[in-house]
Amino acid sequence: AQRVTQPEKLLSVFKGAPVELKCNYSYSGSPELFWYVQYSRQRLQLLLRHISRESIKGFTADLNKGETSFHLKKPFAQEEDSAMYYCALKRDSNSGYALNFGKGTSLLVTP
Amino acid sequence: DGGITQSPKYLFRKEGQNVTLSCEQNLNHDAMYWYRQDPGQGLRLIYYSQIVNDFQKGDIAEGYSVSREKKESFPLTVTSAQKNPTAFYLCASSLLEPGEKLFFGSGTQLSVL
Repeated sequence: AQRVTQPEKLLSVFKGAPVELKCNYSYSGSPELFWYVQYSRQRLQLLLRHISRESIKGFTADLNKGETSFHLKKPFAQEEDSAMYYCALKRDSNSGYALNFGKGTSLLVTP
Repeated sequence: DGGITQSPKYLFRKEGQNVTLSCEQNLNHDAMYWYRQDPGQGLRLIYYSQIVNDFQKGDIAEGYSVSREKKESFPLTVTSAQKNPTAFYLCASSLLEPGEKLFFGSGTQLSVL
């Protein structure tokens, strides 16, 4: 079964500290993974996807097929990073961008 | 705030009543999706549609129905068969080419009276 697991409901860090939001997945084929973010009073939006291998707002995420993980990292957290983060997995090649989402991790960055 | 519009923002349903949530997009996107968001549960897929007049069930389609008569519109009906309808409902749309992403609406909060 295709599944996304985010083990942490809440993660609280101090400003300037490193951040790692964990995401593990189960998928039989070649996965396509995403991180979506929801800032307070804003719409859910794409943060980054693994195929782009990009860094957005200082965040990176590397797909580790051996560990079936796609953890989101940032070396120095900022207060504006406080938000709800969702890891998501594309269901299959026949369902467009229908994604399976994890339960989300709420990141709180305190001064 | 164009792109994808959901209405109403808040909706109340009486017992035994069907209610319809509206989702409209002017992005010329081929695909549209409905998700249900419950606290601590993340987003769960209800239905999706990749082309007009065609749609597929997601993981929690029971008690819901949809239609896709126009490319721009993908309304969701919460029927009386849905016993626990109180939730936040999100609509999304996307193109279908590689490298695309979901664009989300601002959501509808449905509550049962």
